[in-house]
Amino acid sequence: DGGITQSPKYLFRKEGQNVTLSCEQNLNHDAMYWYRQDPGQGLRLIYYSQIVNDFQKGDIAEGYSVSREKKESFPLTVTSAQKNPTAFYLCASRRTEYQPQHFGDGTRLSIL
Amino acid sequence: AQTVTQSQPEMSVQEAETVTLSCTYDTSENNYYLFWYKQPPSRQMILVIRQEAYKQQNATENRFSVNFQKAAKSFSLKISDSQLGDTAMYFCAFMMGSSNTGKLIFGQGTTLQVKP
Repeated sequence: DGGITQSPKYLFRKEGQNVTLSCEQNLNHDAMYWYRQDPGQGLRLIYYSQIVNDFQKGDIAEGYSVSREKKESFPLTVTSAQKNPTAFYLCASRRTEYQPQHFGDGTRLSIL
Repeated sequence: AQTVTQSQPEMSVQEAETVTLSCTYDTSENNYYLFWYKQPPSRQMILVIRQEAYKQQNATENRFSVNFQKAAKSFSLKISDSQLGDTAMYFCAFMMGSSNTGKLIFGQGTTLQVKP
């Protein structure tokens, strides 16, 4: 079945450590997105990519980095510069313009 | 800049009854799309319904329908015959039609509890 796979489901970060969240899709979607969700709040856009080897900052990109070397993959790195990384992270993708985004099951990141 | 506002943080409804969730948005664009997403306790985001701004007819999907008032910039979601499985957080989202980035702007969400 086609879908978006995020891993791991739970992740813990130590102080000063970079961690990478995986997002893989087999839907042949061109565009991919990373969102952050804090408790009781809506989603905020971190980064997005519309084609391979290209990506743009969203509203809260500071302390995060991404890459898009393959169409299927859009990993998110939470760097040590992100001082408040504890949140739920959702990856999404969409096929073409004006199509709704489909979401993965998310990764919960916590600080040790 | 576009904004989306959901003014009801929490709502509850009895099973089999009807409930309406409110959403207002602000934009100067004329071409855009609106969505309602559902996030159950499993945290997965599920698309419930979508509405194209250029369509006057309100979208419906089984027990879910919207009341789209373009002039008032209002986009409410009506859930009929509420079921226990409808218990979730519901998010209203906006996407500009003139841009092909597909960026979604989300409201703060409404937590809906369906009571037996």
